[in-house]
Amino acid sequence: NAGVTQTPKFRILKIGQSMTLQCTQDMNHNYMYWYRQDPGMGLKLIYYSVGAGITDKGEVPNGYNVSRSTTEDFPLRLELAAPSQTSVYFCASSFYTTPKLASGEQYFGPGTRLTVT
Amino acid sequence: AQKVTQAQTEISVVEKEDVTLDCVYETRDTTYYLFWYKQPPSGELVFLIRRNSFDEQNEISGRYSWNFQKSTSSFNFTITASQVVDSAVYFCALSEARGSGGSNYKLTFGKGTLLTVNP
Repeated sequence: NAGVTQTPKFRILKIGQSMTLQCTQDMNHNYMYWYRQDPGMGLKLIYYSVGAGITDKGEVPNGYNVSRSTTEDFPLRLELAAPSQTSVYFCASSFYTTPKLASGEQYFGPGTRLTVT
Repeated sequence: AQKVTQAQTEISVVEKEDVTLDCVYETRDTTYYLFWYKQPPSGELVFLIRRNSFDEQNEISGRYSWNFQKSTSSFNFTITASQVVDSAVYFCALSEARGSGGSNYKLTFGKGTLLTVNP
């Protein structure tokens, strides 16, 4: 299993450009997440998905969009890049069963380092 | 709202010293989960441990141990006989139970503690 993969690993964007960060997991996890990590800070949740076709906003969703058409893929779209979006982006996935209370740990991808200039 | 505080921004120790990383959390839920993740210089996030709020037993895994105390809302992490390879940023995180059937998801992270172990 490759786990959670992210592409690209690095990217430099000019202000106003758009791009899509790709995320794929092969663990058949139902939950997927996007976080951003700014220097000296913890991770902040951008968007998450509890299954194909279902997405919801996290703590810092402005400037981003997501879609979840399959269980495996959860791309993150930046429409009009701004310097404030310079960050390291992590995709993660986990598996939860219902109705039993359960907390599966989140598995993280290697991250995408994005610079907007 | 939930919150995780890691008051120690940076810690520097000499190899073989014991070191404790502090984590204090806030939540209004009675059922929640606590995690520790390690982020080495290479940048990936590595899961270390998960604890349930209804299980206060301490846990030991090799040189790592965790002390969970609900009375003080703390979930501290101790590395015994530290090694240079332990140098990393360590994150504490909290997840509350949400959703139907008790499924939970969103993690709230602390800001992390940078541990440097010097030879």
